[in-house]
Amino acid sequence: EPEVTQTPSHQVTQMGQEVILRCVPISNHLYFYWYRQILGQKVEFLVSFYNNEISEKSEIFDDQFSVERPDGSNFTLKIRSTKLEDSAMYFCASRQGATEAFFGQGTRLTVV
Amino acid sequence: RKEVEQDPGPFNVPEGATVAFNCTYSNSASQSFFWYRQDCRKEPKLLMSVYSSGNEDGRFTAQLNRASQYISLLIRDSKLSDSATYLCVVSGFQKLVFGTGTRLLVSP
Repeated sequence: EPEVTQTPSHQVTQMGQEVILRCVPISNHLYFYWYRQILGQKVEFLVSFYNNEISEKSEIFDDQFSVERPDGSNFTLKIRSTKLEDSAMYFCASRQGATEAFFGQGTRLTVV
Repeated sequence: RKEVEQDPGPFNVPEGATVAFNCTYSNSASQSFFWYRQDCRKEPKLLMSVYSSGNEDGRFTAQLNRASQYISLLIRDSKLSDSATYLCVVSGFQKLVFGTGTRLLVSP
């Protein structure tokens, strides 16, 4: 069964460092997403990506964040200068259209 | 008003009980509706899509009332393995919006 894969599963980084979270969406899907979930809190939308550009982003997705689909299969989230409050689980998701979204297993980001 | 609202629970029920969760959403232009299940520190997984006509999948029944902007999930004959957080998810053309989730604890 096709699945969304994310790497790494856990990343520890020092405050101020840049991190890149990687995702391989399901191959025939058209819409790609990043969500985050701070421990004990709800799943929050960060950004959606369609047709090689950002289609919508939340207030959380400020200038520190960027997304890329560099090679037609990978979908990355970059955080330029991490802060303590960026510590969270980051989920990548993809969907074909107005259907259900499939989520990767997540990357747990810990900023120290 | 929150985009998607759920009672966070927890709902503590014995095995075999029937339990119902509710959810309301604020955007009347929403197109698609889902219930996801999330186990502790895991990714959300689709439980079922929700349609206006109502739909059933084994012990699970979901209903959508577009006029009231209300979604429900009924779980019959609860199992220990049903213990999880149930996420109400509403979608327009782009993003999916999650409720806070309702935690269910099923005890022996």
